[in-house]
Amino acid sequence: AQSVTQPDIHITVSEGASLELRCNYSYGATPYLFWYVQSPGQGLQLLLKYFSGDTLVQGIKGFEAEFKRSQSSFNLRKPSVHWSDAAEYFCAVGARENKLSFGAGTTVTVRA
Amino acid sequence: DTAVSQTPKYLVTQMGNDKSIKCEQNLGHDTMYWYKQDSKKFLKIMFSYNNKELIINETVPNRFSPKSPDKAHLNLHINSLELGDSAVYFCASSQPTSGGYTFGSGTRLTVV
Repeated sequence: AQSVTQPDIHITVSEGASLELRCNYSYGATPYLFWYVQSPGQGLQLLLKYFSGDTLVQGIKGFEAEFKRSQSSFNLRKPSVHWSDAAEYFCAVGARENKLSFGAGTTVTVRA
Repeated sequence: DTAVSQTPKYLVTQMGNDKSIKCEQNLGHDTMYWYKQDSKKFLKIMFSYNNKELIINETVPNRFSPKSPDKAHLNLHINSLELGDSAVYFCASSQPTSGGYTFGSGTRLTVV
């Protein structure tokens, strides 16, 4: 069975500081991994995805994520956070896009 | 043009009523989904259709019935609404070669 754990329920970061969101997955084969962002009252937007190849993937809005098979992790990072990055972040795993399993999400608060 | 559109955005109704949520995508994707997001923001897949055929049917009460008249539309009908059905329902679509889902903006259902 596939599953995703996001250990941090809530992270507060100062504007301009770096951000790292953790994601650990359980999957029986080579996983397809995704990060989504949900702004308040909005749907989910795809930030980036990993299927294969280079384990460091670049996404939109200045985000990147690194796939580490040995640690079953796919952590999301951003070097300098903007106030508009305050949102809910979801990690997801699945076989391609079919039946993605989502983590419980991490709420990011940005303080001035 | 909105890629995945859901209507209505908000739905407030009484227990025992029957209601429908409509979803349309103009991306030409073959696969569409319904996800339920509970009050703790946990996302759980309910149904998936590929080219009008049901391919995923998770453990969902049979009061929930999806219908896909064509591959661009996936509607969700809910009979005999219960308080526990209150949630945000997201429609999404995907194409195997595109990577990732495209989500609608959600329908917030409140059962009173």
